[in-house]
Amino acid sequence: GAVVSQHPSRVICKSGTSVKIECRSLDFQATTMFWYRQFPKQSLMLMATSNEGSKATYEQGVEKDKFLINHASLTLSTLTVTSAHPEDSSFYICSARTEGRSPLHFGNGTRLTVT
Amino acid sequence: QQQVKQSPQSLIVQKGGISIINCAYENTAFDYFPWYQQFPGKGPALLIAIRPDVSEKKEGRFTISFNKSAKQFSLHIMDSQPGDSATYFCAASLSNSGYALNFGKGTSLLVTP
Repeated sequence: GAVVSQHPSRVICKSGTSVKIECRSLDFQATTMFWYRQFPKQSLMLMATSNEGSKATYEQGVEKDKFLINHASLTLSTLTVTSAHPEDSSFYICSARTEGRSPLHFGNGTRLTVT
Repeated sequence: QQQVKQSPQSLIVQKGGISIINCAYENTAFDYFPWYQQFPGKGPALLIAIRPDVSEKKEGRFTISFNKSAKQFSLHIMDSQPGDSATYFCAASLSNSGYALNFGKGTSLLVTP
């Protein structure tokens, strides 16, 4: 089945630093990748949609200068949380799909803790 | 604004029983309705999905029932097992939005031995 790999699984960083999270589709080409954020015991909230080779589309309320998304290839998208603050601590999950009406597959998430 | 409403928030079922989780949506343009299962500390995993041209889909112990006129769909887990204990999310999406998923708030299912 389709596998989406996310790295790192956990990261702790100090306030003010930047953190990069990678999302890779291992056995398929992902034309579209999505980034979600999930707070404890809550639902997944879509942050942005990225298509390979073009700028990401951010959801309302998501700061594009703070959450930088790059989808440089058909198998890799990165999310960089810039100048992280404690309120950015959350579970970040990427997902990917191929063209057409294929299902969406999720990575195992990255637990970010900003101290 | 929550586009997909899910209930109940939590559910306790005895082993062997039927677990039923319900979802309702507003946007009649939604054309894809998946269910995801999530274990603590993991990403969601696709369980089963349905499109509005069918009213029911069954895969093993999992069945989706879809009522287009009522704008509702539900997940039934037959012969529930302790290993099914997880959080379940329904979702809906639009083909013309790249199929970005709008998730319900989730249902925490506990299956007791």
